[in-house]
Amino acid sequence: QLQLQGSGPGLVKPSETLSLTCTVSGGSINSNSYYWGWIRQPPGKGLEWIGTIHSNGNTYYNPSLKSRVTISVDTSKNQFSLRLSSVTAADTAVYYCARQDGIAVAGKGYWYSDLWGRGTLVTVSS
Amino acid sequence: EIVLTQSPDTLSLSPGERATLSCRASQSVSSRYVAWYQQKPGQTPRLLIYGASSRATGIPDRFSGSGSGTDFTLTITRLEPEDFAVYYCQQYDSSPQTFGQGTKVEIK
Repeated sequence: QLQLQGSGPGLVKPSETLSLTCTVSGGSINSNSYYWGWIRQPPGKGLEWIGTIHSNGNTYYNPSLKSRVTISVDTSKNQFSLRLSSVTAADTAVYYCARQDGIAVAGKGYWYSDLWGRGTLVTVSS
Repeated sequence: EIVLTQSPDTLSLSPGERATLSCRASQSVSSRYVAWYQQKPGQTPRLLIYGASSRATGIPDRFSGSGSGTDFTLTITRLEPEDFAVYYCQQYDSSPQTFGQGTKVEIK
């Protein structure tokens, strides 16, 4: 059974870069059918899509975060990663990695998240 | 960006009752691209419905989704104790995909 497990530091200083990795087990990240995404949830608040990657390296980002986000994939390790630069307290959230089902057409993606990893709480504080 | 507004914020019901949750979009959304998730405290969101009305794998048939245009609904026909949770709608028709603020279904 496919599982996703996020990992990374739980505390990041303001202005630094948040880095998280999601390891996929029980199946291959090299799937034409699925995409792999990051979604976050500030404490007590709703969900925000950060971005998505395909195993071929194509990436899709939320415009509100695009200037600070990089998502990459390492198919040899069955992992994908998130980097968010210049963080502030507003970036404090639980970060989820997820498998996303759907399609991408002409640079636009149409996905829902059908399998989620256990979230990682990242606090931005000095 | 499409804004999704869920109502009510909180729904107080008893086990066995019917729950009707609303999700209204700020502009028309293709019904092919609406999903619903359930989240219990301290847990990961779970996909319930995609394509506005298709149940995800393993989801009981007491959960159903409907709607079109700007108005979408999640219905739980008879609430079970494990159904008390927060529910989120999502649109993935327009980038960025967005989520509603959530409706909490609590025990009355």
